[in-house]
Amino acid sequence: EDKVVQSPLSLVVHEGDTVTLNCSYEVTNFRSLLWYKQEKKAPTFLFMLTSSGIEKKSGRLSSILDKKELFSILNITATQTGDSAVYLCAVEGGSGGSNYKLTFGKGTLLTVNP
Amino acid sequence: DTEVTQTPKHLVMGMTNKKSLKCEQHMGHRAMYWYKQKAKKPPELMFVYSYEKLSINESVPSRFSPECPNSSLLNLHLHALQPEDSALYLCASSHLGETQYFGPGTRLLVL
Repeated sequence: EDKVVQSPLSLVVHEGDTVTLNCSYEVTNFRSLLWYKQEKKAPTFLFMLTSSGIEKKSGRLSSILDKKELFSILNITATQTGDSAVYLCAVEGGSGGSNYKLTFGKGTLLTVNP
Repeated sequence: DTEVTQTPKHLVMGMTNKKSLKCEQHMGHRAMYWYKQKAKKPPELMFVYSYEKLSINESVPSRFSPECPNSSLLNLHLHALQPEDSALYLCASSHLGETQYFGPGTRLLVL
């Protein structure tokens, strides 16, 4: 069974702190790993990672994938209160030819206090 | 147009009602998805359509019936739902094997 595990499940920091969110996975026929940010509505796309060791950056956010150790991290530097959200890790792959299936982790609830 | 739209935003229905959720995208995506998300849980895949054909059904009860009338539209027909079916229903679309983009969701309450 495909599995995506995120840690920590929740995190409280102060504005300006740097945070690292973790995602490990066991997925058959791995295709990609995606990070989404979810506030009170639908998940919004952050990054898609397919290759090991190549960092993707978008402003204060960055992410990297390790396909050998089967994990990814999402870094947020100089956090702001607007970064408060649930961060979802999802892996595309699957057994039995379900190659378009996303398996989500439980998410990390990040709270950034002023 | 880089948007997935869903209607209605909110829906309240009784257990004997029949209703439909609608999803639309004009990004030329040939894969479309329905997810169910309960409070404080991640989205759970329900159905995947690829080239307007149902390719994945994650053992969803028959009271949920998907339909893909064309490459831009995806419906979810609801009949005889249970209170435990109350959730946020998310539609997503993607080019095959690429990033899935989510719509805003329909918040469903079954009384």
